[in-house]
Amino acid sequence: DTEVTQTPKHLVMGMTNKKSLKCEQHMGHRAMYWYKQKAKKPPELMFVYSYEKLSINESVPSRFSPECPNSSLLNLHLHALQPEDSALYLCASSQEGTFQPQHFGDGTRLSIL
Amino acid sequence: EDKVVQSPLSLVVHEGDTVTLNCSYEVTNFRSLLWYKQEKKAPTFLFMLTSSGIEKKSGRLSSILDKKELFSILNITATQTGDSAVYLCAALGMDSNYQLIWGAGTKLIIKP
Repeated sequence: DTEVTQTPKHLVMGMTNKKSLKCEQHMGHRAMYWYKQKAKKPPELMFVYSYEKLSINESVPSRFSPECPNSSLLNLHLHALQPEDSALYLCASSQEGTFQPQHFGDGTRLSIL
Repeated sequence: EDKVVQSPLSLVVHEGDTVTLNCSYEVTNFRSLLWYKQEKKAPTFLFMLTSSGIEKKSGRLSSILDKKELFSILNITATQTGDSAVYLCAALGMDSNYQLIWGAGTKLIIKP
């Protein structure tokens, strides 16, 4: 088990559904990340929040909408996804500042029908 | 363009063998290099290396960075079946606190 908790672990949804992925950490980290990982590929950065403000948006389609309600929580709202969005979605967190490793949650495996 | 290259892409050895995984990088304003182990779920942090020539060690795993030749190695001695995983290497440049440049990973299989 990791110190970054993601729910749900698995999600199957249709292309017209709206769902949310949740991520929580209690390590006092002030940077939080969403990654997308396809099979046999390294993680791809989607969003970064620093001190609850969106710091990086890696040209992610608007059908993915991040939200950081407080320093411990990170959500990813999903709407009108496409089959190619099926992947493992990983949340990570790190201390702010230089030389701070990112710590990952177990991910949500998302399947779009 | 910044890049990280890992080799080999896959490796099959027997339990008890020693393995060396390689990671070379070309990163503008390089700051640090990280190693992660990924089984079926989360990448698990192993090491962060920032200084050349200083070995980091954790049990049977060790890693070292060569900033002159721009590479790092991850050694695993007396391998066990539980070491089977994908080992990911990632580099961080000065331009961003957050944007890791990932290698493709080395898939390591340990046969009993």
